[in-house]
Amino acid sequence: QKEVEQDPGPLSVPEGAIVSLNCTYSNSAFQYFMWYRQYSRKGPELLMYTYSSGNKEDGRFTAQVDKSSKYISLFIRDSQPSDSATYLCAMIPPMGGSQGNLIFGKGTKLSVKP
Amino acid sequence: EAGVAQSPRYKIIEKRQSVAFWCNPISGHATLYWYQQILGQGPKLLIQFQNNGVVDDSQLPKDRFSAERLKGVDSTLKIQPAKLEDSAVYLCASSFSNTGELFFGEGSRLTVL
Repeated sequence: QKEVEQDPGPLSVPEGAIVSLNCTYSNSAFQYFMWYRQYSRKGPELLMYTYSSGNKEDGRFTAQVDKSSKYISLFIRDSQPSDSATYLCAMIPPMGGSQGNLIFGKGTKLSVKP
Repeated sequence: EAGVAQSPRYKIIEKRQSVAFWCNPISGHATLYWYQQILGQGPKLLIQFQNNGVVDDSQLPKDRFSAERLKGVDSTLKIQPAKLEDSAVYLCASSFSNTGELFFGEGSRLTVL
């Protein structure tokens, strides 16, 4: 079993839809969870950063962590064509791992149609 | 603020040839990373530098890959000899602190024929 599982999609939605992106993980010791957005032929950029369980909201984006289920989600409200990108979940390994050694999911490719 | 600069953006080589990639991080960022992103996969850390010292190179294939960061600023990643499976995007990233907030460059896309 891979440490981080993410459905690669592709996911296609109409403009204005609510998008739900998800990742599961196997190591219950993960504590820091991130979502990166990667546009085509660009490097990833940090979108959301959460610690432990709970919700975090930033504009149209909400990150949710459920440590009991080892499941994280990213919700995008009122999706726009400019949200079309690949969304990568990432986690910092537990103690002993380098803080930069992020464990990334495969990424979910999202397309928002006008 | 200037972002992370990488060059070349694209490189095509034959297997067994060598290639080098260059990275200039964001000014003031002490930590520099090289990640490998194979098509359809998430990035995988190859090596992490703190200033000019290596913090983590556990996933670097040391028989063919080498990296250095002279003077704690720019870095180069070299592959010699290249294999077909090295075809990937090589991403350089930097960070101000060890928080997981990485700033990535646009990447260097390598095709090995």
